[in-house]
Amino acid sequence: GAGVSQTPSNKVTEKGKYVELRCDPISGHTALYWYRQSLGQGPEFLIYFQGTGAADDSGLPNDRFFAVRPEGSVSTLKIQRTERGDSAVYLCASSLTPVWGLGKTGELFFGEGSRLTVL
Amino acid sequence: AQSVTQLGSHVSVSEGALVLLRCNYSSSVPPYLFWYVQYPNQGLQLLLKYTTGATLVKGINGFEAEFKKSETSFHLTKPSAHMSDAAEYFCAVIERGAQKLVFGQGTRLTINP
Repeated sequence: GAGVSQTPSNKVTEKGKYVELRCDPISGHTALYWYRQSLGQGPEFLIYFQGTGAADDSGLPNDRFFAVRPEGSVSTLKIQRTERGDSAVYLCASSLTPVWGLGKTGELFFGEGSRLTVL
Repeated sequence: AQSVTQLGSHVSVSEGALVLLRCNYSSSVPPYLFWYVQYPNQGLQLLLKYTTGATLVKGINGFEAEFKKSETSFHLTKPSAHMSDAAEYFCAVIERGAQKLVFGQGTRLTINP
């Protein structure tokens, strides 16, 4: 596809369950970001991948959250022992290169998000 | 730490009226600044960005924003609102050299016929 694809678009789960959310970035994009958007809030940074490695995971709220990108393309956000407070829209974004730095001003392309509801 | 404040979580204007969405940032150094728009059931889309150079930046759909360093502001404007402008708008900032985009809480724009 031409854009960033996220699946599932909607996920309803019960408290305590394990959840995986998938992001398929634009082909050739090396940088991949996960953000979380709670109701009425702006997106909050979770983690940033450059290639296969997590370059910055400082936004992950706790050790129940984990993300991987084993081949430098598709990424999976994994949430263990889900809690009601994890309910949010999880956004994925990708860019051709590391987006920002001195002299670099690239664009981040966002997917439509995966809406997670924890009952 | 850098932060972004959007004044007004909801703004309502009449069709044809001026749109003004306010954004103030806090950063220790001049950052890069962005406005994104989110239409219902769609992903975030870049409207415009300021990096260096001219402080008045023009974006898509007739929007523009002006970087005012003395006021640490990056307000978004459009001279004449259209019904299709109804959406959620997010201001975002990134410090130069960083890789984390920090978003404001968003402003929902409603256009009245």
